[in-house]
Formats: sequence, structure tokens, C-alpha cells
Amino acid sequence: DAMVIQNPRYQVTQFGKPVTLSCSQTLNHNVMYWYQQKSSQAPKLLFHYYDKDFNNEADTPDNFQSRRPNTSFCFLDIRSPGLGDAAMYLCATSVQQGGNTEAFFGQGTRLTVV
Amino acid sequence: AQSVTQLGSHVSVSEGALVLLRCNYSSSVPPYLFWYVQYPNQGLQLLLKYTSAATLVKGINGFEAEFKKSETSFHLTKPSAHMSDAAEYFCAVSDYGSSNTGKLIFGQGTTLQVKP
Repeated sequence: DAMVIQNPRYQVTQFGKPVTLSCSQTLNHNVMYWYQQKSSQAPKLLFHYYDKDFNNEADTPDNFQSRRPNTSFCFLDIRSPGLGDAAMYLCATSVQQGGNTEAFFGQGTRLTVV
Repeated sequence: AQSVTQLGSHVSVSEGALVLLRCNYSSSVPPYLFWYVQYPNQGLQLLLKYTSAATLVKGINGFEAEFKKSETSFHLTKPSAHMSDAAEYFCAVSDYGSSNTGKLIFGQGTTLQVKP
């Protein structure tokens, strides 16, 4: 089945130690998103790619970076994780620009910072 | 700018009872609206979407939602709750008015509890 796959499902990292989360998709979608979801809160968009065009949300901290080397893969890099970065990180894709197409989500990576 | 508000952070129903989860939207353009469900430690799964084709939208797992422009609402309903419906539900609007990729703006979510 075509899908969005996130690895790992659970990640524990040390305070201040760089960490990378990965996302892959077999849907061949143009758009890939990274959302951060803290406990009991709604997902919040960090950034997205339309093909290779990177779009950062205005309030996304500089500590968060992203790479998309090809259509299938997208990475979220947290340069110096703090305790406040502990959250579920959700990768999603959509087929095109425009508002009427739904996003397809991966299972998420739950990040713990110790 | 688009936004959604979900009324009630927690809803509790008995198994077999009607489920009603409320969502109101604000949008400067004709809205595209979505309902997603999230089970514990899982990603989000699309239940249904409104894209202006029909005001009553049927989704998966017996859920449906009705778009009411006059009330700026898009409430989610299910006639008979099942234990497996217990989850977090998010209403979302596409931000396509200000973004060319239709990123989603989520409501705060509603936790549905189903009692036996």
C-alpha cells in the first residue's frame, strides 16, 4: 500500500544533542509537511516543501531545520533539542497545491528529550 | 485568515448513543474543511472532507458531517457510537487563501470517550 512512513516511531535524545527524524512516502506527492504536536494539543505546522521549494512558518524556531533530498524523503533536524521540544512529530503529504486535497499522515515519531 | 474552533474538549457518550462533535470555522474564502481522527500514539487519519460538492459529507466508519454556511459550522455526527470510536478528533480548515499549498489549520481537538 502507498503510504507515509516515519522512522523511528520513538526517539529518545539527550538535551542539546542533534537528532534527525525521517519521513518517506510512496505516494509521489509534491508537498511534504512537518507538524509538531505537543501533549493534548493540536498539530502545529513547522514547515513544508512544495517539490524542492522550502516554506518555513514564521514562528518556527531556528533550532528546527529540514531537508528534502528527493521526492520520496524528507528529514527534520533538531540542532539542539531542549526539554520543550519533546513532542510527537508528524509528517504528512498532499498531492498538489490548492486547498481541496487532504493530507496523508505518517504514524508519527514521539521524541523524548532527557 | 482561516481558523476553526471545536466546542468541547471532551465528549462522553454511551455505546450506541449519538455522537455529535462540534466545529465552527472562520474563513475569508470558501472553506475546505476536514475531520481527522487520531488514536493514541498514532498519526492522523482522514474521516471526511468538504470541498463544496455536497453539504452533507459521508466518511469512513459511519461518520458524516454537514456543512452549514449560515452557521459557519461543520459538525461531525455518528448515529450509534462504538467502543472503537474512542479517540481524539480534529477539525481542520485548509489555509489555501494565504498559502499556495493548502496547509491545514487544526482546531484544538475533542476527546471522545465511549462508555459501555
